[in-house]
Amino acid sequence: GEDVEQSLFLSVREGDSSVINCTYTDSSSTYLYWYKQEPGAGLQLLTYIFSNMDMKQDQRLTVLLNKKDKHLSLRIADTQTGDSAIYFCAESTTSGTYKYIFGTGTRLKVLA
Amino acid sequence: SQTIHQWPATLVQPVGSPLSLECTVEGTSNPNLYWYRQAAGRGLQLLFYSVGIGQISSEVPQNLSASRPQDRQFILSSKKLLLSDSGFYLCACITGAWYEQYFGPGTRLTVT
Repeated sequence: GEDVEQSLFLSVREGDSSVINCTYTDSSSTYLYWYKQEPGAGLQLLTYIFSNMDMKQDQRLTVLLNKKDKHLSLRIADTQTGDSAIYFCAESTTSGTYKYIFGTGTRLKVLA
Repeated sequence: SQTIHQWPATLVQPVGSPLSLECTVEGTSNPNLYWYRQAAGRGLQLLFYSVGIGQISSEVPQNLSASRPQDRQFILSSKKLLLSDSGFYLCACITGAWYEQYFGPGTRLTVT
């Protein structure tokens, strides 16, 4: 079956790195995504990675994909208080509907 | 780039009243469209998706229905609201070479 799991909470100090982890079960997933949701807002797409890639870096964000273990991580360097939010990972396949399976979300709290 | 509009932003409705939430998309044509519900700021439940005008697929049996009268318009409706329909409703569309899903700002529905 399809399932995406994330830890519920993460707390880090400002300036440290944050690592948010995600595991998924659908080996046919083609695209994997990270979203950020601030209170009362919609989801903001942060970055994405294709399943044949191992790593992708975009400014302070680094995505690592271990396809063998079906493990995805998002590293935020130099975490700021503005990074406090809920982070969702998601997977999708290349079927015509492109349905996403979202994780349960990780609430990141950045301490000043 | 695409922009997703949702209205109203917030809504308080009594149990048994009808519902109509609207989503419109700008900046893209023939998008896949999606309605999600999010309870208590966590976890996204896919309610409906549409791959074209008049084509609606329901993911879970419920008190809600959806329609797509125009290419870039997606409507979520109910004839009689239940308390359990309260939540944060998000509209999304898929566009782009990486099939990225973009979200609207959401509608906060409280059924009293």
